[in-house]
Amino acid sequence: EPEVTQTPSHQVTQMGQEVILRCVPISNHLYFYWYRQILGQKVEFLVSFYNNEISEKSEIFDDQFSVERPDGSNFTLKIRSTKLEDSAMYFCASGGMGGGVYNQPQHFGDGTRLSIL
Amino acid sequence: AQKVTQAQTEISVVEKEDVTLDCVYETRDTTYYLFWYKQPPSGELVFLIRRNSFDEQNEISGRYSWNFQKSTSSFNFTITASQVVDSAVYFCALSDGSSNTGKLIFGQGTTLQVKP
Repeated sequence: EPEVTQTPSHQVTQMGQEVILRCVPISNHLYFYWYRQILGQKVEFLVSFYNNEISEKSEIFDDQFSVERPDGSNFTLKIRSTKLEDSAMYFCASGGMGGGVYNQPQHFGDGTRLSIL
Repeated sequence: AQKVTQAQTEISVVEKEDVTLDCVYETRDTTYYLFWYKQPPSGELVFLIRRNSFDEQNEISGRYSWNFQKSTSSFNFTITASQVVDSAVYFCALSDGSSNTGKLIFGQGTTLQVKP
């Protein structure tokens, strides 16, 4: 069964450094997402991406965050100048084939655990 | 505004007991989708079920069953004859028409511990 893959599984970064989290969504999906889960808390929506542009973003997704789909397969989340509070599990998800965003439920990658020191 | 409430923070049962995880949602839309995801100790999110607002039929999949009641805005999840491998955090989530991107709004999660 096709799956969403994320790399790395764990990233340790010094505060103030830039970090890029990578994701390969399911190939025929059209909608891509990033979510965040601070340890012990619920999963929170960060941003959705469709047709090569951001379609929606949450209040969490401020100017230090950016997303990109540099080629036909990868989907990246960049965090500039990381802060301690950015420490969390970051999940990539993809969904929605032709026929609309609800055509396929969102499938999540295994997550990248980001630790800011 | 959309909201998902999972009032049970933690549940502990003994193996083979049945357990029901509650989920109450809020939305102004008539078209919406409800989901359950499982997060085992390893951390990944595993999709379990999606239900649309026009389909109130209950669903059973092996030991899992879901009870969707629009009248009470609830989408509860029952595990029959629980097993130790069912120990995980379970999240209920909502996606509605307020977002045309299909974003999910998650509840706080219920931690289920199944003891042998």
